[in-house]
Amino acid sequence: QAVLTQPSSLSASPGASASLTCTLRSGINVGTYRIHWYQQKPGSPPQYLLRYKSDSDRQQGSGVPSRFSGSKDVSANAGILLISGLQSEDEADYYCMIWHSSAVVFGGGTKLTVL
Amino acid sequence: EVQLVESGGGLVQPGGSLRLSCAASGFIFSSYSMNWVRQAPGKGLEWVSYISSSSSTIYYADSVKGRFTISRDNAKNSLYLQMNSLRAEDTAVYYCARDSVFDIWGQGTMVTVSS
Repeated sequence: QAVLTQPSSLSASPGASASLTCTLRSGINVGTYRIHWYQQKPGSPPQYLLRYKSDSDRQQGSGVPSRFSGSKDVSANAGILLISGLQSEDEADYYCMIWHSSAVVFGGGTKLTVL
Repeated sequence: EVQLVESGGGLVQPGGSLRLSCAASGFIFSSYSMNWVRQAPGKGLEWVSYISSSSSTIYYADSVKGRFTISRDNAKNSLYLQMNSLRAEDTAVYYCARDSVFDIWGQGTMVTVSS
């Protein structure tokens, strides 16, 4: 079982909200991790969006709009990237990441389609 | 402007070697840890290696341990990745990324391992 699991794809309408999940493997407690999120558009490098551990331990990337926010669903053992007021420019691949056992782990990525 | 520029990619035969470089500008390079991340064609992100600001701490992904060596020269504002015993599965775009949050990424350099 992968350390981080993301749905491969998600579709949402312009103006709506999209909730992208990053589920941690059983036995790895989401509460103890900072979840990082990145956006990647075709032909471009990833861009850092934000980091979230708790409401008191979070960081927004430089220049990242506030409609991108992080949270956790402890019952599902998952980190969440919420994008509100979806725009066509939000169509991209989104990756979550954690530091785990002196290594970096990326999720497999979610392709977000805005249509 | 904060910037990372990778170089050194190219076509190499299986078993061969290649040295990647990452030139940093616009920030105090010696104050930040650095990373290498790769992305195979059409695939997701895979972390490769981490080096602390003083080079005192280094981590590698299991997939490259014993074959790749990360290093840095703070006087030259440069990060390096020496890649030996290259395999077809090492074919990817290689990115350098700043800090433990990967907040700044370069544009990447393509490495193709093929006979």
